[in-house]
Amino acid sequence: KAGVTQTPRYLIKTRGQQVTLSCSPISGHRSVSWYQQTPGQGLQFLFEYFSETQRNKGNFPGRFSGRQFSNSRSEMNVSTLELGDSALYLCASRPLLSGGLDTQYFGPGTRLTVL
Amino acid sequence: AQTVTQSQPEMSVQEAETVTLSCTYDTSESNYYLFWYKQPPSRQMILVIRQEAYKQQNATENRFSVNFQKAAKSFSLKISDSQLGDTAMYFCAFMKRGSYQLTFGKGTKLSVIP
Repeated sequence: KAGVTQTPRYLIKTRGQQVTLSCSPISGHRSVSWYQQTPGQGLQFLFEYFSETQRNKGNFPGRFSGRQFSNSRSEMNVSTLELGDSALYLCASRPLLSGGLDTQYFGPGTRLTVL
Repeated sequence: AQTVTQSQPEMSVQEAETVTLSCTYDTSESNYYLFWYKQPPSRQMILVIRQEAYKQQNATENRFSVNFQKAAKSFSLKISDSQLGDTAMYFCAFMKRGSYQLTFGKGTKLSVIP
């Protein structure tokens, strides 16, 4: 099975622009979560999607948004980019097994640099 | 809110030796899970080991084992027979049962020296 894929892998934007990142989960996985990784703040949860619905959201401003499509692929969008948005954005998927604990599988990440 | 603390930003170990990475957490939850994730340089994060809080027995996965002290809210990772491929950032993480939102520590950078 192919793993979690994220595109693009690297992205350079300027302040004020917006950006869209894409995540394709492992086939059969129905839940997708997003995390931001920075040297200062570490790994922080952004949001989780299941069945095209946001189920959980971390403590990030409204400039960060996301969505999930019927094929479970997910996108996250950041509007009005700030220098502090420079980070590695990680996507994780899980199968949503019943009666058990799912393991989350992480993608390689998208490295966003804001100039 | 939960917090996870990894007090060792960097560690090193000689190949074939044993090393222990520390993690403490703070929570008021009674049902939760704890994890150790490994993030090799420029590679994706993978799950090393997990522990369900209601289980008293410490989890083990080959050369990796944990020392879970629930009362002390401590969850350390022991790596035996360290290998060069163990060089990575190691993150301790907490998850409240049913939430699937991981709370991570800041990580420990482990270097295995030949």
